[in-house]
Amino acid sequence: DAKTTQPPSMDCAEGRAANLPCNHSTISGNEYVYWYRQIHSQGPQYIIHGLKNNETNEMASLIITEDRKSSTLILPHATLRDTAVYYCIVRVTGNQFYFGTGTSLTVIP
Amino acid sequence: DTAVSQTPKYLVTQMGNDKSIKCEQNLGHDTMYWYKQDSKKFLKIMFSYNNKELIINETVPNRFSPKSPDKAHLNLHINSLELGDSAVYFCASSRSDSGNQPQHFGDGTRLSIL
Repeated sequence: DAKTTQPPSMDCAEGRAANLPCNHSTISGNEYVYWYRQIHSQGPQYIIHGLKNNETNEMASLIITEDRKSSTLILPHATLRDTAVYYCIVRVTGNQFYFGTGTSLTVIP
Repeated sequence: DTAVSQTPKYLVTQMGNDKSIKCEQNLGHDTMYWYKQDSKKFLKIMFSYNNKELIINETVPNRFSPKSPDKAHLNLHINSLELGDSAVYFCASSRSDSGNQPQHFGDGTRLSIL
C-alpha cells in the first residue's frame, strides 16, 4: 500500500546534483509528498515535504509536477555522506507513513 | 539532546521470553508511533498514539502491547517472543497526526531472538 514507485538504485558523482524521481500517479488532492532517507542502520531522517508547490530547505529541493503525479528530490551537491536509501511517501491526515522499497543512492568519489 | 530516544539499542533474548522497549520524545509532540523493519529492510507501521490514545493498530499479533503513560512516552511490550519477531523496531513522533506534520524517528532497537 506504498502508493509510490521509485527506481531501486542510482549512482551520483560526488559534488554533482542527485535527482531522485518518484511516481505517485494515484495521489489524492489532500495527500502530501514526503521524502525521508535512511543511512545504514540509523532511523529514517526527514528531508522535506510538500503538497503542490515546489519546496526548498537546507538539505534539498522538492519539485512536484503540476498534475502532482510525480516528484523529484534534488540534492544540489551530493557528498559521500548522502549515500543512503531514499523513500518517497504520500500521506493524508490520519493515515500513517507507508514506506516502500525506496531508492538506494550511492555517491561515488 | 536526542529528540526521540529508544532503549535498549540492542536486545538479545530467548524465544518465549517477555521484553519491553522504551521510547521517549522531548519535542513536545502529541503523536507517537511504532514501526517494525524486517530483514528485507521494509519499514511497516505497527501502532500510533495521539495524546495517549491508540488511533492506529495495524495487523499486529496481540502479543505486542503498546503503553503510553504520558504524551512523551510510548513503550512497547512483547509477550512470548518468537523467532519472527527478530527485527529493528523504530519509535517516531510528530506534532500531530495531521498530514502536514513530519515524523521524527529514533535510532531503533535491534531485537534478536535466539
